[in-house]
Amino acid sequence: DAGITQSPRHKVTETGTPVTLRCHQTENHRYMYWYRQDPGHGLRLIHYSYGVKDTDKGEVSDGYSVSRSKTEDFLLTLESATSSQTSVYFCAISESTGGQPQHFGDGTRLSIL
Amino acid sequence: AQRVTQPEKLLSVFKGAPVELKCNYSYSGSPELFWYVQYSRQRLQLLLRHISRESIKGFTADLNKGETSFHLKKPFAQEEDSAMYYCALRKDDYKLSFGAGTTVTVRA
Repeated sequence: DAGITQSPRHKVTETGTPVTLRCHQTENHRYMYWYRQDPGHGLRLIHYSYGVKDTDKGEVSDGYSVSRSKTEDFLLTLESATSSQTSVYFCAISESTGGQPQHFGDGTRLSIL
Repeated sequence: AQRVTQPEKLLSVFKGAPVELKCNYSYSGSPELFWYVQYSRQRLQLLLRHISRESIKGFTADLNKGETSFHLKKPFAQEEDSAMYYCALRKDDYKLSFGAGTTVTVRA
């Protein structure tokens, strides 16, 4: 497996609290992505990054922000978590400009009560 | 709007039988399509892409622009093919749009 580590792997928190998920890669890939996986919706892109400090919105970016201060780290923040953000979150990386993620992390299961 | 439809949420086949996972798309531009697979307790991974015209693990997929389909096929299913499969469409802005997924169970 490619060197992608997501932390935490599981988290339970309450509505209204801030939450930060971390994705760390050791592949030195330029592109990093955050997806959420929900039944009936497949994977939906939240945000992605095409370089350090370069990020852009995906199709479900409302309520989420990201930061990438180093090539290896891509953080996803829920400023004020809501129950609708209960999901499994996947980080992915790619070294090409093609846009398709090549490698995925193990996922973070986030429950917001 | 670009859209990917996987009409089957669940698909059950017997070992050795052919399996076909359907994927239909709507897109006004020139599509690029992919299949991803997630085996139990493993990471989601890219299975194949239409531009490569490759066969991976016995699976093939042909892009049919007339029917706007990219169905995934394997002539003889194996138990290790049991997994969740996602069809995905790459849009002009290079972002991927995924289908809802099909869970395949191959029975002995």
